[in-house]
Amino acid sequence: SYELTQPPSVSVSPGQTASIPCSGDKLGDKYASWYQQKPGQSPVLVMYQDTKRPSGIPERLSGSNSGNTATLTISGTQAMDEADYYCQAWDSSTVVFGGGTKLTVL
Amino acid sequence: EVQLVESGGGLVKPGGSLRLSCAASGFTFSHYDMNWVRQAPGEGLEWVSSISGSSGFIYYADSVKGRFTISRDNAKNSLYLQMNSLRAEDRAVYYCARGAVARSDGVGIDYWGQGTLVTVSS
Repeated sequence: SYELTQPPSVSVSPGQTASIPCSGDKLGDKYASWYQQKPGQSPVLVMYQDTKRPSGIPERLSGSNSGNTATLTISGTQAMDEADYYCQAWDSSTVVFGGGTKLTVL
Repeated sequence: EVQLVESGGGLVKPGGSLRLSCAASGFTFSHYDMNWVRQAPGEGLEWVSSISGSSGFIYYADSVKGRFTISRDNAKNSLYLQMNSLRAEDRAVYYCARGAVARSDGVGIDYWGQGTLVTVSS
């Protein structure tokens, strides 16, 4: 079965750039979506079809997907960006989520 | 305003059954694929099942295939998940979620309900 792998945690200083990778076999041939989830809240879609931002998502969030890795990049990271982030893709009749990455803004 | 409101969660014994419901409003329900996604306490997101707007396409995670059944009633703007033969590992918050993810050109899940907790314990 298809798997998406994310690092458990990423740390970043305020104002710096955070990159959250998501790896999977030939992931670049599929579309990746990303979700942000804060404690006690439902997930929020922050990126879809690799690079597209839903309405209301700030421009400092961007996405890329090539080869075996999709990446969510947050520029000028703010305290409000501290959350869990999940990547997601579709493969062989299965929706797959990555294990999630906890972004800590130090 | 799009709203998704789940109900039907609760405590059930192993081997028991439960039916979750999701009441949708604020959009043309029949036009959208719908999904169930669950999250065990302290764990990550796990996709459970997806259904297309016309119920023509239905998919299940291997972990629930043969035990869970997704359905929808477009006249009632409602999504359902019938869960049978429940196991301890099915314990989770179950989210009703709108979005075309069960396809190669998926656009992500753009709306999520608040979730309903299912606990399986004797």
